[in-house]
Amino acid sequence: KNEVEQSPQNLTAQEGEFITINCSYSVGISALHWLQQHPGGGIVSLFMLSSGKKKHGRLIATINIQEKHSSLHITASHPRDSAVYICAVSSGRETSGSRLTFGEGTQLTVNP
Amino acid sequence: EAQVTQNPRYLITVTGKKLTVTCSQNMNHEYMSWYRQDPGLGLRQIYYSMNVEVTDKGDVPEGYKVSRKEKRNFPLILESPSPNQTSLYFCASSLGQGWTDTQYFGPGTRLTVL
Repeated sequence: KNEVEQSPQNLTAQEGEFITINCSYSVGISALHWLQQHPGGGIVSLFMLSSGKKKHGRLIATINIQEKHSSLHITASHPRDSAVYICAVSSGRETSGSRLTFGEGTQLTVNP
Repeated sequence: EAQVTQNPRYLITVTGKKLTVTCSQNMNHEYMSWYRQDPGLGLRQIYYSMNVEVTDKGDVPEGYKVSRKEKRNFPLILESPSPNQTSLYFCASSLGQGWTDTQYFGPGTRLTVL
């Protein structure tokens, strides 16, 4: 079983729909990252959070540390939101730095 | 413009021919890292560096070397590439330790080893 599991693997939506992507993890973490990978391959960091909720424009990320679960929501989805969304968790080590463990990603397609 | 650059962006080579993929950042970041991305496996960490002359192995370090002689540069070296190292490679940097700061990714290097 992977340490980071995302669902769904693939998601197709119509423009304007509310979208939720889920991430569950099995290890103790210091922070959770949501990344967006564009069709051209570039990766952009959307959020980093260790508790609660963050919002940026139409994107909202939440995390529940006790349940080891995070969600990424997109409100009023648009075709330009089509991308792969990747969840990654940081497990810090005091003496030797951190490692990032990634989920396999969720391919989102938003149709006009 | 704040950025992470990688070169080359695309490379086709043959088994055993040593190669270096360069990575440079202009944000004075302490933390740099290399990842590879493969279908069905996602992104996996190869090596990371917490500062100059300080590096450590990630999840898949076999067949790779790195060095951090300057803060801005973190090259990835494949001494004897093999076909199983065909992959999409990303370099990333962050201001502090990777778990507390936003990661900035380079554009990626698509490597094919024949």
